[in-house]
Amino acid sequence: AQTVTQSQPEMSVQEAETVTLSCTYDTSESDYYLFWYKQPPSRQMILVIRQEAYKQQNATENRFSVNFQKAAKSFSLKISDSQLGDAAMYFCAYRRRGSNYKLTFGKGTLLTVNP
Amino acid sequence: AAGVIQSPRHLIKEKRETATLKCYPIPRHDTVYWYQQGPGQDPQFLISFYEKMQSDKGSIPDRFSAQQFSDYHSELNMSSLELGDSALYFCASSFRGGQTNTEAFFGQGTRLTVV
Repeated sequence: AQTVTQSQPEMSVQEAETVTLSCTYDTSESDYYLFWYKQPPSRQMILVIRQEAYKQQNATENRFSVNFQKAAKSFSLKISDSQLGDAAMYFCAYRRRGSNYKLTFGKGTLLTVNP
Repeated sequence: AAGVIQSPRHLIKEKRETATLKCYPIPRHDTVYWYQQGPGQDPQFLISFYEKMQSDKGSIPDRFSAQQFSDYHSELNMSSLELGDSALYFCASSFRGGQTNTEAFFGQGTRLTVV
């Protein structure tokens, strides 16, 4: 079974600075997807970024980028130029490649952005 | 753009009662997933449907049942409610199609409180 571990229950960052959220996972599959989801106080689950395991290039979406280390099974999220609106719970998630979109989530990291 | 619609947004039920949660996927999406997120917990996969057939099953109690209808909307039926069923229930939808599976988009969730 796949597992996703987020070792940082809470993180804080100053506005305009950079923060990195950690995620490790365990799987015996070779082809899969990894995701970071954001859940603000509204509780809406919003996709931030995704990474295909077969791609060596790290995914980037504006101020959000990942450091994907497949051999180490590590998938960290870097948020640059942090904004107050980035404050939320961040979930790392795994899905094996295929037709099933069942996601396995980590426990989440609560990010606070200080003005 | 149309999003995943869940109703009701909030629901309060007493123990041993029955609840029905509804999910209306994004138009042309053929796959629906249900997740349960307890207080302070990560989302847990319950069940999914593709083309009105159950495609995968997670940690869904026997007291719960679900189905997908001909118009692709889905309903999660929960009977003999327990206090521990209090949670945020997410529905997500995606287009599975042939060999391609697009991203899943989440609804805003239904918050169920059992008293």
